[in-house]
Amino acid sequence: DAGVIQSPRHEVTEMGQEVTLRCKPISGHDYLFWYRQTMMRGLELLIYFNNNVPIDDSGMPEDRFSAKMPNASFSTLKIQPSEPRDSAVYFCASRRTDVYNEQFFGPGTRLTVL
Amino acid sequence: GQSLEQPSEVTAVEGAIVQINCTYQTSGFYGLSWYQQHDGGAPTFLSYNGLDGLEETGRFSSFLSRSDSYGYLLLQELQMKDSASYFCAYNAGNMLTFGGGTRLMVKP
Repeated sequence: DAGVIQSPRHEVTEMGQEVTLRCKPISGHDYLFWYRQTMMRGLELLIYFNNNVPIDDSGMPEDRFSAKMPNASFSTLKIQPSEPRDSAVYFCASRRTDVYNEQFFGPGTRLTVL
Repeated sequence: GQSLEQPSEVTAVEGAIVQINCTYQTSGFYGLSWYQQHDGGAPTFLSYNGLDGLEETGRFSSFLSRSDSYGYLLLQELQMKDSASYFCAYNAGNMLTFGGGTRLMVKP
């Protein structure tokens, strides 16, 4: 079974541009999480979905960030407009409803905003 | 508030045993998880403690004491490939909150 898939793996953009990160969770996983990792702030939860519904978005830094999950196999995290401080590695993770202690992480998207 | 504390860096030699401690403060707690992350890689699940005591998975063991709000990850027979960052994370309902990570360097 394929793991969590993220695209792109690397993204370099200029300040002010829109960035869209994509994630395909593991089939059968009902929970999807978006994390951001930086040296300064560590691994932070941004938002999570259950059965495609956003449950907690309290970690989303500001209105420039938005996330959607239109169906069980696809989610996006959008930053508009992007700023240099958004540079980080963004991870998507998923898990099954009945195995709450183990999340499966995708390979991440390394975002650089110039 | 909610927080986890773990050492930022640990160094050990190949073949040795190393213990990475984690203390936490949280108002809601289901259990403590441990994740490994190699440089440039994604976090991967290692171990989970939902109850007090020791859980063993091969060379790795994890311990939890709820009364002390404390846990640790024990790595035995260290190998060079164990050089990585190790994160403790507590489960509070559906979410994981991660500690800052401990960078383990294994030397020959």
